[in-house]
Amino acid sequence: QVQLVQSGAEVKKPGSSVKVSCKASGGTFSNYAISWVRQAPGQGLEWMGRIIPFLGIPNYALKFQGRVTMTADKSTSTAYMELRSLRSEDTAVYFCARDFHSGTYLHAFDIWGQGTLVTVSS
Amino acid sequence: DIQMAQSPSTLSASVGDRVTITCRASQNINSWLAWYQQKPGKAPKLLIYKASSLESGVPSRFSGSGSGTEFTLTISSLQPDDFATYYCQQYSTYPVTFGQGTKLEIK
Repeated sequence: QVQLVQSGAEVKKPGSSVKVSCKASGGTFSNYAISWVRQAPGQGLEWMGRIIPFLGIPNYALKFQGRVTMTADKSTSTAYMELRSLRSEDTAVYFCARDFHSGTYLHAFDIWGQGTLVTVSS
Repeated sequence: DIQMAQSPSTLSASVGDRVTITCRASQNINSWLAWYQQKPGKAPKLLIYKASSLESGVPSRFSGSGSGTEFTLTISSLQPDDFATYYCQQYSTYPVTFGQGTKLEIK
């Protein structure tokens, strides 16, 4: 059974960057899109974008264009999300999530990482 | 962007009750809708995909219906483990969007 294991909690200063990792184990990595979804404290779910590892081409939500970079390393089955120019409103739990089916079409997310808390504070 | 509107925002119910949560899309999404359950401090869990398909391992008391712009999630007989927050999600078009969530509370 595939598992996604994320890196640990981070505390960052405003204006800095954070890079969160999401390592897949137990199954195929390259053919399934990995999305990043964040959740601010007490708030709902917000999709940030996704990447299909075998293509290496990301698709970002407009809100994050220019500030986010999503990459994937097929050799280590790890996806990364880097968010730059952090502000207090970026304080949230960041989840990675895998598509239910392989391929380029959009799908529901059947496997989720445990989440990574990113706190932005001066 | 496609807006997803869930109702109600909060629902109080008792063990054994039948409950329904509604999700409306701002435009036609065919059947490209999923439902998730989330408990505090945990990642969301997929319950239903393609509007009405039950994810493997999910109890049969959960069911989904609808197509186009209006969808429902029904729990036929609430169990103690079902008290959580539920989200709908459309994956018809970029960007993927979620409803604001429905918190299911014990009455």
